[in-house]
Amino acid sequence: NAGVMQNPRHLVRRRGQEARLRCSPMKGHSHVYWYRQLPEEGLKFMVYLQKENIIDESGMPKERFSAEFPKEGPSILRIQQVVRGDSAAYFCASSPKGSSGNTIYFGEGSWLTVV
Amino acid sequence: TQLLEQSPQFLSIQEGENLTVYCNSSSVFSSLQWYRQEPGEGPVLLVTVVTGGEVKKLKRLTFQFGDARKDSSLHITAAQPGDTGLYLCAGGSGGGADGLTFGKGTHLIIQP
Repeated sequence: NAGVMQNPRHLVRRRGQEARLRCSPMKGHSHVYWYRQLPEEGLKFMVYLQKENIIDESGMPKERFSAEFPKEGPSILRIQQVVRGDSAAYFCASSPKGSSGNTIYFGEGSWLTVV
Repeated sequence: TQLLEQSPQFLSIQEGENLTVYCNSSSVFSSLQWYRQEPGEGPVLLVTVVTGGEVKKLKRLTFQFGDARKDSSLHITAAQPGDTGLYLCAGGSGGGADGLTFGKGTHLIIQP
């Protein structure tokens, strides 16, 4: 997972605040994926983005969550008005192409705690 | 909805023993990947298999993709304490929706 950079690694937010998680993909990778891992749960796909485009957001909660991958800069996962249930590890992954049959590389994650 | 069931959920064995963990689904996947994750870190890719019946070896680890591409197994020979971790399988379905489907993982503990 070397190369996919996520920050912050740990983030504490009070209920109702906003959380912004950043992800810089590996050099040369134009595909970014966000996953969420709840305690004792597997990783759940949230969203798949290419530069300036959301390709698949079927795993994103309908409200409060949004993601972007601008032409310049990192991908950002934004959670508005956080609630305790948003506490989880959020992982970003990147690939040079779509993941089907291709390797995706994960970052070390951002651990969000909502108090 | 595609699901991947991993078994066993927890496994604790002695150093030197052999073990097999399984990843099963009723769905066909275009590829299947195995990851190992340690506490506080992200998943690290071990292997990708794409062909039904494919077998790949990585030192003491042997990965097999079922003929029908619905299941996979990971066999570890002569397990060592350094093998301890969470082993995750993930299936790719292709077709443009490229998010991987993950199993919940097998928590493996190798006792010295």
